[in-house]
Amino acid sequence: DAGVIQSPRHEVTEMGQEVTLRCKPISGHDYLFWYRQTMMRGLELLIYFNNNVPIDDSGMPEDRFSAKMPNASFSTLKIQPSEPRDSAVYFCASGLLDEQFFGPGTRLTVL
Amino acid sequence: SQQGEEDPQALSIQEGENATMNCSYKTSINNLQWYRQNSGRGLVHLILIRSNEREKHSGRLRVTLDTSKKSSSLLITASRAADTASYFCATDANTGNQFYFGTGTSLTVIP
Repeated sequence: DAGVIQSPRHEVTEMGQEVTLRCKPISGHDYLFWYRQTMMRGLELLIYFNNNVPIDDSGMPEDRFSAKMPNASFSTLKIQPSEPRDSAVYFCASGLLDEQFFGPGTRLTVL
Repeated sequence: SQQGEEDPQALSIQEGENATMNCSYKTSINNLQWYRQNSGRGLVHLILIRSNEREKHSGRLRVTLDTSKKSSSLLITASRAADTASYFCATDANTGNQFYFGTGTSLTVIP
């Protein structure tokens, strides 16, 4: 298995633009998590899904953020409109209850 | 809010020495996990310890858990340069399936 796949690996955009981050979880994993990592705030859980259903989105910072999981093999995290303070590394992780497998992350820079 | 908090924030040791990192958390937990993150990469799961366990070993790793003090420690014995990374604890806050990550300990092992 190739592990959790995220795309793009790097994204540079201008303030106000829409950004879509993509994740392909490991086959067979029931849970999918989206995290954001910054120097100031560390690693923050944004939202997680169980069997494609969003369970807890309380970590989503504001309405500009949305996440979907249309099927078991694909999820997206969208930011619209993006702002400079959204600059961070965004990780997708999949797994079971006791162990999460992280993707390589998407480094987002909003100018 | 983050559940776990690691101490120290940074640690530098000579190759061959042992490295000890601590994690404190705030509320009751079911499980506590330790992860490693190499620079520019995603997190890698190292070990899980359940609330009814006091100590667990995996190779050169030794994890202890003291639920009365709400703390855990990660010991890496006979450290190697390849152990240079950030180490995070993650706790489940006894409320759901999501894990909350601490701010991490940055370990540098000098060859």
